[in-house]
Amino acid sequence: GAGVSQSPRYKVAKRGQDVALRCDPISGHVSLFWYQQALGQGPEFLTYFQNEAQLDKSGLPSDRFFAERPEGSVSTLKIQRTQQEDSAVYLCASAGTSYNEQFFGPGTRLTVL
Amino acid sequence: GDSVTQMEGPVTLSEEAFLTINCTYTATGYPSLFWYVQYPGEGLQLLLKATKADDKGSNKGFEATYRKETTSFHLEKGSVQVSDSAVYFCALSDRGDDKIIFGKGTRLHILP
Repeated sequence: GAGVSQSPRYKVAKRGQDVALRCDPISGHVSLFWYQQALGQGPEFLTYFQNEAQLDKSGLPSDRFFAERPEGSVSTLKIQRTQQEDSAVYLCASAGTSYNEQFFGPGTRLTVL
Repeated sequence: GDSVTQMEGPVTLSEEAFLTINCTYTATGYPSLFWYVQYPGEGLQLLLKATKADDKGSNKGFEATYRKETTSFHLEKGSVQVSDSAVYFCALSDRGDDKIIFGKGTRLHILP
């Protein structure tokens, strides 16, 4: 595909469940970013990969959040024991190299009941 | 830490009106500045950017000038259209730090 894709587009989870959100970046893009966008707010940085290396995870809000990109392409954001405050849209972005334009996916809207 | 402050919305204008959305920033280094747009039902798209002081970014009739002396990057358009209705985010990325820091967004409604 031409752009960044994310799946699922919508996810409803009961409090305490684990969820996994997938991001397929643009083919060949080295950099991959995850952001969290709460309702009515701007996106907030979670974590950054360059190829398979996670270079910055300073934005992950707790140790319940975990991200991986084992082969330097597809990435998964996992949230364990979901809480209501985790409800948000999770955005993935990829870029060709550092300092290049980030291209955003459509996001996954997570609702925790 | 670095931050972006933009005018709160919603902003409602009539078609062909002049648009200004104010944005100021705080950064320790020399950031690149961006405006992103989110149309209804679509993902975030880069609208324009400027990478150094006095640079002017422009796209689709929108313009913004990087003002280091006032730490501002205001978005302007001379004549808005209904199709410009969207949420606009001012953002920055500090040199050496790839993450983007976003403002809270300004929702724009254009009435026909």
